[in-house]
Parts: sequence; C-alpha cells; structure tokens
Amino acid sequence: QKEVEQNSGPLSVPEGAIASLNCTYSDRVSQSFFWYRQYSGKSPELIMSIYSNGDKEDGRFTAQLNKASQYVSLLIRDSQPSDSATYLCAVNIVHQFYFGTGTSLTVIP
Amino acid sequence: DAGVIQSPRHEVTEMGQEVTLRCKPISGHDYLFWYRQTMMRGLELLIYFNNNVPIDDSGMPEDRFSAKMPNASFSTLKIQPSEPRDSAVYFCASSLARQGPGELFFGEGSRLTVL
Repeated sequence: QKEVEQNSGPLSVPEGAIASLNCTYSDRVSQSFFWYRQYSGKSPELIMSIYSNGDKEDGRFTAQLNKASQYVSLLIRDSQPSDSATYLCAVNIVHQFYFGTGTSLTVIP
Repeated sequence: DAGVIQSPRHEVTEMGQEVTLRCKPISGHDYLFWYRQTMMRGLELLIYFNNNVPIDDSGMPEDRFSAKMPNASFSTLKIQPSEPRDSAVYFCASSLARQGPGELFFGEGSRLTVL
C-alpha cells in the first residue's frame, strides 16, 4: 500500500515567521515529490517539485528531500497571510500520483 | 493556453440518478487522472488513462462508477446509480510524461451533492 502521511494540523504561525510542513511516505520506489497548495474551495496548484536528495529553493519556498528517511518537507520563509491554505504532499510512483490528506496552515497577521 | 476544463462545476442530484462528469485535459498531455476529494479521505485516485487507455482503475469504489476516454481531448466519469456517500469534489487532472513523471495540473473540480 502506498501511503503518504502528513500532520493535518492546523498549523498556525505569525506573519513573517517560518512555516515548516512535513511529509513521510511508505514506498521506497517513489520517484518524485511535489507540494501543492489548495485554497478553500479551489483546486490544488503546484508550488514545488523535488526529485533528488537535498534542498531545492524557489523564492520563499524550500523543499527538502531525504529518500533514506522517506521524508520530504516544505519550508515557507517570511510567511504571509496569503500563504494560509492547505498544503498537500504528493508522491509519484510510475506515473501515479498519491496524495497526503494535507496540512492546514494559517498565517496570523 | 487553457487549463484542464471540467463540467459541471456543481451538481445536485437525488439518490438513484445518473451523474456524468466531464473533463477536457490540457492539449498534448498524455495522462489523465480522476480524483475524488472528501474531508475524511483527502484526494483519492479513482482511475487514470495513458494515451486514452485506462491503465489502473483499482481506485474506482464500485461498479456504479465507470470512466471513459474516447479521444485525447475528452473524458467522462459516470456514477449510476448515485448515492449520498458519493457526495464529494471530483477533480480531473492531466500531465505530460515523455521521459518520466511530470507535473499534475488540476481542473477546477466538480462538486457533487447527492441528496
């Protein structure tokens, strides 16, 4: 069974702080990893992808991947109220995408 | 470039009725996915197609659910007969994966309510 686990939260951080979101996955053949953001009532939108161990930075977002520990995380620096959303971790295994249930993030002004 | 287009955006129906959800993927994409999202279970993969061929339908909950992709630009998900527990948001998504896994692009979703 291919499982993707996330802490459902809710996670609250003050504006300007760093938000840290975590995800673990069970299938070692997982090939690529994604973070999606979903605003209430909207569809998921891709914000980060990562394929190899280490860190990948894109603006205020940093994805971290550790395949040995089967762990992927997302850091959001200088959090803004507009970052308030549910963040979904996704794992790709042979063209199939499996999602966690999401972590709800609230950034408090 | 138009994204993934789904219709209807909202559907309210009574138990026992047939429901058909429609999807137009992004032009050129070779994979199409149908997901169902609920608060309790999150995003669940129902079925996916590659080049219009169904590859894995193990996520389809029951025989009441069926999906087709008659051509590269159109897919349907049908529920017959519908039940209240089918109430959810159904997302269609597409991707392009020529040499490996590609990014997944979602439609706006079809919110289904079965009374």
